[in-house]
Amino acid sequence: DADVTQTPRNRITKTGKRIMLECSQTKGHDRMYWYRQDPGLGLRLIYYSFDVKDINKGEISDGYSVSRQAQAKFSLSLESAIPNQTALYFCATSLPGTGLGETQYFGPGTRLLVL
Amino acid sequence: QKEVEQDPGPLSVPEGAIVSLNCTYSNSAFQYFMWYRQYSRKGPELLMYTYSSGNKEDGRFTAQVDKSSKYISLFIRDSQPSDSATYLCAMRANTGNQFYFGTGTSLTVIP
Repeated sequence: DADVTQTPRNRITKTGKRIMLECSQTKGHDRMYWYRQDPGLGLRLIYYSFDVKDINKGEISDGYSVSRQAQAKFSLSLESAIPNQTALYFCATSLPGTGLGETQYFGPGTRLLVL
Repeated sequence: QKEVEQDPGPLSVPEGAIVSLNCTYSNSAFQYFMWYRQYSRKGPELLMYTYSSGNKEDGRFTAQVDKSSKYISLFIRDSQPSDSATYLCAMRANTGNQFYFGTGTSLTVIP
């Protein structure tokens, strides 16, 4: 089984709809992240959480919100989807501290299309 | 200026060639340097990890970091069609919580 799972894997929605993307992990990592990936722009950080009570905005948090329901679960919501939120969304996890633990482990991604 | 710059390619090489992938960066505080490989429709997976300057070798892959030039490289020897993917560099500082990613270089190895 995959260590980091994302649901759904693909989603088509309409402008103005609220949608939620979910991420679960079995790695036991405290730190979780949401990124979006766009051609030519690379990975951009939306939100990150270092534990259940810690939520932080990334560089492009406008139009998004998150919920850390448990150590293993981190959800991303688009309050009112717009077409320029069409992208590939990735969840990632990491361990705190230095060394290899500070690298990130990614889920398989959710491909979102907003019409 | 972006924190991390990476040539997007695409790069196309024959099987068996040596491939060189590069990133430059502007923040001298970066200490941790990573290379991720991303196959089509998959999430990035960690390929190589180095701390500070120097070289690191793992099989056909060698990662180099030159902090004086703010330049990192990934070399792939005896490239294989299975190496065809997008390669992303990433880095972060000792302090702060953010990883900075390059935009990725698309590589195709032709049999």
